[in-house]
Amino acid sequence: DAMVIQNPRYQVTQFGKPVTLSCSQTLNHNVMYWYQQKSSQAPKLLFHYYDKDFNNEADTPDNFQSRRPNTSFCFLDIRSPGLGDAAMYLCATSSGQGSNQPQHFGDGTRLSIL
Amino acid sequence: AQSVTQLDSHVSVSEGTPVLLRCNYSSSYSPSLFWYVQHPNKGLQLLLKYTSAATLVKGINGFEAEFKKSETSFHLTKPSAHMSDAAEYFCVVISAGGYGQNFVFGPGTRLSVLP
Repeated sequence: DAMVIQNPRYQVTQFGKPVTLSCSQTLNHNVMYWYQQKSSQAPKLLFHYYDKDFNNEADTPDNFQSRRPNTSFCFLDIRSPGLGDAAMYLCATSSGQGSNQPQHFGDGTRLSIL
Repeated sequence: AQSVTQLDSHVSVSEGTPVLLRCNYSSSYSPSLFWYVQHPNKGLQLLLKYTSAATLVKGINGFEAEFKKSETSFHLTKPSAHMSDAAEYFCVVISAGGYGQNFVFGPGTRLSVLP
């Protein structure tokens, strides 16, 4: 059963054209994360939500925004994608209960910029 | 601050032979440690986790890892490699007290399995 679902799996957009990636979860987890992963690199955390509390990483570009309208859904908005934003974007969740909970990842959205 | 070192960027084994992927960590607190696997164009799948219980941890697909505090290591092993094990493997440390925002990834080890 899919527990963290990302749509679409592949997204192509044009340079400078806004794009939105979506993530939904059936785990009822408090915490949702967005990561950027470039080829042959580890995932890099962009931001996370604890419930509705938004936490931005210090080095996340302003071009990246996020919304979490309810527990199940979270969106990543890229306002003006540049060529350097081409990457795999991973959504993850964790329960937030206790300090040692693993994260559960979706299969990612691969973003290409033309 | 926490950090993770994966000593090999690429490991190549023959099918049916043992697998050893090395991980060393640095943490100011009693760490929680995880191994994740990532197949091409897929997300990360949890293989196993250490959270201060038994030092030898068994995971999915025949993998296991041993936590050695004196060596600050958490190496991943499997007795017999299968072709389907070819993937990228990430060792992760999370410090006690956080709920996940302190998820520190190692750089990853790519495992190739030769027929």
